[in-house]
Amino acid sequence: GAVVSQHPSRVICKSGTSVKIECRSLDFQATTMFWYRQFPKKSLMLMATSNEGSKATYEQGVEKDKFLINHASLTLSTLTVTSAHPEDSSFYICSATSRVGGYTFGSGTRLTVV
Amino acid sequence: AQSVTQLGSHVSVSEGALVLLRCNYSSSVPPYLFWYVQYPNQGLQLLLKYTSAATLVKGINGFEAEFKKSETSFHLTKPSAHMSDAAEYFCAVRGSTSYDKVIFGPGTSLSVIP
Repeated sequence: GAVVSQHPSRVICKSGTSVKIECRSLDFQATTMFWYRQFPKKSLMLMATSNEGSKATYEQGVEKDKFLINHASLTLSTLTVTSAHPEDSSFYICSATSRVGGYTFGSGTRLTVV
Repeated sequence: AQSVTQLGSHVSVSEGALVLLRCNYSSSVPPYLFWYVQYPNQGLQLLLKYTSAATLVKGINGFEAEFKKSETSFHLTKPSAHMSDAAEYFCAVRGSTSYDKVIFGPGTSLSVIP
């Protein structure tokens, strides 16, 4: 079945630094990837949609310069949290879909900014 | 536009009792509907999905859900709750194309009382 690998699963970074989260589709070509953010005891909020080779489409209220999304290949999308602050601490989850359908989530990344 | 509501942010049932988690959706296009479960500090696991075929959908772990277009509902049920069912449950909606984003409901936390 379709597998999406998300790395790292946990990361702690210092305030002011940047951190990159990778989302890879292991056995299919992901034409579209989605990035979600989940606050503690809250639902998943869609941050952005990225299509391979084009700029990401951000949801209203999501800072484009803060959350940089790159989808340079059909198997890899990255989310970079720039100049991270404690309020960026959250659980980030990616998902990927392909032309033949299916929608697969990664296992998530727990980001803690100290 | 699509949206999901889940009645009851927290549901408690006794072990062995019926589990009923409510989900209502709004969609301007024929929807695909999903139920996901999330255990503490883990990613999402797909329980079941409705993709315009049979209206009664059976999923994993004994769960099932029925799509009722007239009521715009997709309630999740399980005849007999088990302690291991305690988790957060999310109902989600998507359009019928693989590029459509998934919109999550606010979630329902299920507690199972021994």
